[in-house]
Amino acid sequence: AQSVTQLDSHVSVSEGTPVLLRCNYSSSYSPSLFWYVQHPNKGLQLLLKYTSAATLVKGINGFEAEFKKSETSFHLTKPSAHMSDAAEYFCVVYSGGYNKLIFGAGTRLAVHP
Amino acid sequence: DAGVIQSPRHEVTEMGQEVTLRCKPISGHDYLFWYRQTMMRGLELLIYFNNNVPIDDSGMPEDRFSAKMPNASFSTLKIQPSEPRDSAVYFCASSAGSKTGELFFGEGSRLTVL
Repeated sequence: AQSVTQLDSHVSVSEGTPVLLRCNYSSSYSPSLFWYVQHPNKGLQLLLKYTSAATLVKGINGFEAEFKKSETSFHLTKPSAHMSDAAEYFCVVYSGGYNKLIFGAGTRLAVHP
Repeated sequence: DAGVIQSPRHEVTEMGQEVTLRCKPISGHDYLFWYRQTMMRGLELLIYFNNNVPIDDSGMPEDRFSAKMPNASFSTLKIQPSEPRDSAVYFCASSAGSKTGELFFGEGSRLTVL
């Protein structure tokens, strides 16, 4: 069975400081993993994806994530937060079959000046 | 490409009324999805289509909900009769191929049922 757990429902950082959004997953198969971002009143947009190539994945807007199989984690990071990064972020696991695309509960990122 | 287009963006209706939400997927995408997002339950998959054929509708809450995809460029989600608990943001998304897991979302239709 698949599952995904986002360990923090809310994260607050100051502009210019690092961002860490945590995600743990469970999957019976080698999964594909994604991070999506949702800005207020908008649809979800793909930030980055892991599909069993390089374990460190770079995405848009300076975000990256590292796949760690031993820890079953796929944490999202950014070295320096920008005000425009304030949004909700979803970790997603996919093991083939769209009815098995599992979204995490989301982490709301707040960025303060 | 214009992306996934949904209409209306906002709908306010009274309980018992019929609601129709519309979606135009990205041209060339062969998968189309309807999701519902609420604070309580997060993002839920309602139904998805492949090449205009419904593949999995197990997420449709009850018989009041129905979805159609008459052609590759248009889909509707209908609620009849609507109830206050149907208030949510409904997203349409599309994808190319079965192995990517990558979805392209519309901006959503915010439904309020009074």
